[in-house]
Amino acid sequence: AQSVSQHNHHVILSEAASLELGCNYSYGGTVNLFWYVQYPGQHLQLLLKYFSGDPLVKGIKGFEAEFIKSKFSFNLRKPSVQWSDTAEYFCAVTSDQTGANNLFFGTGTRLTVIP
Amino acid sequence: GAVVSQHPSWVICKSGTSVKIECRSLDFQATTMFWYRQFPKQSLMLMATSNEGSKATYEQGVEKDKFLINHASLTLSTLTVTSAHPEDSSFYICSARDGGQWGREQYFGPGTRLTVT
Repeated sequence: AQSVSQHNHHVILSEAASLELGCNYSYGGTVNLFWYVQYPGQHLQLLLKYFSGDPLVKGIKGFEAEFIKSKFSFNLRKPSVQWSDTAEYFCAVTSDQTGANNLFFGTGTRLTVIP
Repeated sequence: GAVVSQHPSWVICKSGTSVKIECRSLDFQATTMFWYRQFPKQSLMLMATSNEGSKATYEQGVEKDKFLINHASLTLSTLTVTSAHPEDSSFYICSARDGGQWGREQYFGPGTRLTVT
């Protein structure tokens, strides 16, 4: 079945630690990939997106993600996390095979950064 | 950046009543708006796609007679939960997209928490 998988449900890190959150998708065709962040009590915000071109995408707040087509992955990374990065992170995908309107979300990863 | 608002942010209603949730794009015209539902500790599930001036497109399993969507203008879409029941209690989130270009970013509202007693 078509899906977006985020295998890490809850990640706890100390400040300055490096972060990598996994995202795998199973949609075929041409895909657009997104990472959204939801800070406590706030709405979803776009961190970064991949449409085409350089598979290494840089987003806001020092985040980056790498699209590896052969692995159907779009992992999110940050070299040094801060306490303010504590939030829920969602990977999302659109595929030309399922319609441009359909933004499919992963189940989310909760990140807790300990000061 | 583009801002999307939702009203109300939180609503409690009695079983059997109807509730209307508004979604507005504040600084851009949204030709397409989307309605999602998020259960606790779960992901967002697309309910329907709302195009200005036309009927909404509902995802499989979503009752269109229960979740009425009206996209009357380029800045406003409404979701009405009719004859609400406790199982309709959830977090409803809308998003909006400017233009019809495939893959363009969606901007999300803050969500509306509905509790049906």
